[in-house]
Amino acid sequence: GQNIDQPTEMTATEGAIVQINCTYQTSGFNGLFWYQQHAGEAPTFLSYNVLDGLEEKGRFSSFLSRSKGYSYLLLKELQMKDSASYLCAVRKYALNFGKGTSLLVTP
Amino acid sequence: ETGVTQTPRHLVMGMTNKKSLKCEQHLGHNAMYWYKQSAKKPLELMFVYSLEERVENNSVPSRFSPECPNSSHLFLHLHTLQPEDSALYLCASSLMPGNEQFFGPGTRLTVL
Repeated sequence: GQNIDQPTEMTATEGAIVQINCTYQTSGFNGLFWYQQHAGEAPTFLSYNVLDGLEEKGRFSSFLSRSKGYSYLLLKELQMKDSASYLCAVRKYALNFGKGTSLLVTP
Repeated sequence: ETGVTQTPRHLVMGMTNKKSLKCEQHLGHNAMYWYKQSAKKPLELMFVYSLEERVENNSVPSRFSPECPNSSHLFLHLHTLQPEDSALYLCASSLMPGNEQFFGPGTRLTVL
């Protein structure tokens, strides 16, 4: 089975940097995904890590440590539109999602 | 507009009704999924189809019956549902199982 943990809620200020952590325990690991989901909308893909290290994509970066069962999503220069739920998902055969972290960006 | 469409977007049904949710993908993908999303709970994977064959069924009650007639279409047939089945039902597709998934907009289901 898989156990995926993320903080439930976070709050950050516009223009700041925020780090959302995800820890997982799984038998058989084939990669980790981050998705963004705005209220009332479908999840959209943000990033994918299968090897250890940092993947950077514009304002968003994602880090993976397979030995520690740990990943984080880093959001820089926060904007109000970044207020959303951020879902960590571990790939075994299909994807298994964590409960998501609800991020509120304040002025 | 994404490459994955779902109809209807909203559905209200009684516990004795029979209804079907439809999903269509225009991305040339080979894998399709049904997820259930309830408030305060993680996305729950229900079914996985790969090349029109069901490859995963996550202990879903038999009142939910999936159908995949071809690689572009996926249905979820509903009958004798319970109020606790009220949720957002999301369809997704990927090139192969486990690849990046593209989600449809979902069907908001309410069971009275």
